[in-house]
Amino acid sequence: SQQGEEDPQALSIQEGENATMNCSYKTSINNLQWYRQNSGRGLVHLILIRSNEREKHSGRLRVTLDTSKKSSSLLITASRAADTASYFCAPNSNSGYALNFGKGTSLLVTP
Amino acid sequence: GAVVSQHPSWVICKSGTSVKIECRSLDFQATTMFWYRQFPKQSLMLMATSNEGSKATYEQGVEKDKFLINHASLTLSTLTVTSAHPEDSSFYICSASAGSQPQHFGDGTRLSIL
Repeated sequence: SQQGEEDPQALSIQEGENATMNCSYKTSINNLQWYRQNSGRGLVHLILIRSNEREKHSGRLRVTLDTSKKSSSLLITASRAADTASYFCAPNSNSGYALNFGKGTSLLVTP
Repeated sequence: GAVVSQHPSWVICKSGTSVKIECRSLDFQATTMFWYRQFPKQSLMLMATSNEGSKATYEQGVEKDKFLINHASLTLSTLTVTSAHPEDSSFYICSASAGSQPQHFGDGTRLSIL
């Protein structure tokens, strides 16, 4: 699968604020997935949005997908210090194949 | 939800030692498992893809004789770093998937070669 490119590379906000990170990709997809990685840990699957979906919610997470622009965004509302982590998007063209990851967005939420 | 267990979480050993890392899917049968390597503050780099009962497919530049992968069952894959040297020190992460389901990742293994 292709690699997504996250933007910004780093984001620093205060608790309670919203955090928005973006992902761009190059070729058509079946779905796009977002993962979180806490320092020194594995990746945690956050949300999967299919190519025929435009928006998806999960708790404080909101993901949008614009296939015409080949981009996605992840919004974390009312951020908490525990949201501090790196966030990666994974555009997926072929189910069952490996996901490739970009450099991610490093989010720092300060109390 | 789907759980992937990786063991050990941390290993320190002398240069020349071979190290085996296990990746288990605890509550689902993983048709495919993936091995990644991550350097500090870098992204995950795919090393190889393994399907149960068949030989692993290695990414370009990854030495298959150096990184031996065995996927003997639908719930277990192992990565053996043979004759490890300091440059092999890294964070190794496995993931597992069942068909078209999302990949689920282990917690990683930090390998330090002295």
